Amino acid sequence: GQNIDQPTEMTATEGAIVQINCTYQTSGFNGLFWYQQHAGEAPTFLSYNVLDGLEEKGRFSSFLSRSKGYSYLLLKELQMKDSASYLCAVTDSNYQLIWGAGTKLIIKP
Amino acid sequence: DVKVTQSSRYLVKRTGEKVFLECVQDMDHENMFWYRQDPGLGLRLIYFSYDVKMKEKGDIPEGYSVSREKKERFSLILESASTNQTSMYLCASSPGTGDYNEQFFGPGTRLTVL
Repeated sequence: GQNIDQPTEMTATEGAIVQINCTYQTSGFNGLFWYQQHAGEAPTFLSYNVLDGLEEKGRFSSFLSRSKGYSYLLLKELQMKDSASYLCAVTDSNYQLIWGAGTKLIIKP
Repeated sequence: DVKVTQSSRYLVKRTGEKVFLECVQDMDHENMFWYRQDPGLGLRLIYFSYDVKMKEKGDIPEGYSVSREKKERFSLILESASTNQTSMYLCASSPGTGDYNEQFFGPGTRLTVL
């Protein structure tokens, strides 16, 4: 079967750094997405990884290790507006997007 | 600017009613998707479509049907709404097949079935 695991919830402090992990077992791999979803809103695209390594985009970075079936999203200099759910999604061999259940990130002042 | 719109943000229906949820995209995307999202369960795929008049079942198609008569429009139909279909419904679209298949989402419809 296909499976994507993420922590259900994490808490961090404003100004700090947080790492959200995602592990996956899928039938094939053609890329990994991270999306951000604020409460009551639609998911919005954050990052895409298809090759091993780190992709940096401002305060957000995403890392991928294909051999380990592992990715993480790193958020630096946390702001209150970063309170949201973060969804990991993998493109499988049929080019279908397989979604994780999401990680709810709570930022405290 | 890419845009996916859904006909309603909030909808309240009664058990047994027929419900139509409409989704329109203006990006000339080939693929369109309907998901429902429930707390703790993440996004679950109901149906998707790779072309006009084509549809494929997702993970939870029971109790739903879809229609795609035009490329830009993808409708989700609940033939006889039930209380367990109370959920957030999200429509998404993506470009044609290929490695990079970012999905663009509409704002969602929160459906309550009484």
